[in-house]
Amino acid sequence: DTEVTQTPKHLVMGMTNKKSLKCEQHMGHRAMYWYKQKAKKPPELMFVYSYEKLSINESVPSRFSPECPNSSLLNLHLHALQPEDSALYLCASSHPHRDRGLYGYTFGSGTRLTVV
Amino acid sequence: AQKITQTQPGMFVQEKEAVTLDCTYDTSDQSYGLFWYKQPSSGEMIFLIYQGSYDEQNATEGRYSLNFQKARKSANLVISASQLGDSAMYFCAMREGMKTSYDKVIFGPGTSLSVIP
Repeated sequence: DTEVTQTPKHLVMGMTNKKSLKCEQHMGHRAMYWYKQKAKKPPELMFVYSYEKLSINESVPSRFSPECPNSSLLNLHLHALQPEDSALYLCASSHPHRDRGLYGYTFGSGTRLTVV
Repeated sequence: AQKITQTQPGMFVQEKEAVTLDCTYDTSDQSYGLFWYKQPSSGEMIFLIYQGSYDEQNATEGRYSLNFQKARKSANLVISASQLGDSAMYFCAMREGMKTSYDKVIFGPGTSLSVIP
């Protein structure tokens, strides 16, 4: 299994809603990431989890709340979002070992979020 | 701070021709890694090729090769024999955090490649 699975693929939510994005991998990767990507822009790092502990929070507003309940699962809880938060949210995972060929990310296909 | 520059916002190439996508980077680290990713309109980020800063030979993966010039801090992607399916956004990226258990990867602004039949 060499996949990162993200659900849902599309999400429309109101500014008062609470929703969650889910990311799952079964490759034994111990680092997982959330990126935000606006149209025609590069992905921007939001959060990094390493061995289920939050390692990086790139000054993301508190209306985004990450959670890593186990080594295979990463969630992003959304609350009171703004229309400018509409974007593609990408999850990725990476192998902790430094053997050649195991660098870099495996990305999920993303969740397209629209805040109305 | 690390930085990635891709000076070609958009490029066109004739089908079956080769194309070079430019990437320059800036880092003070001695050990780092460079990647190229492809992103079709569907949104998925597809890993293409990796080059480590200590790798002496340029990386190749099928039709993709990376022209690594360390002194110039450039890592250009060469796609040989372009195909219509190569039309996509291409991102150059760099990894920092060599001594950590995770990879912090930053991305360049991207180049939109269009392959013309």
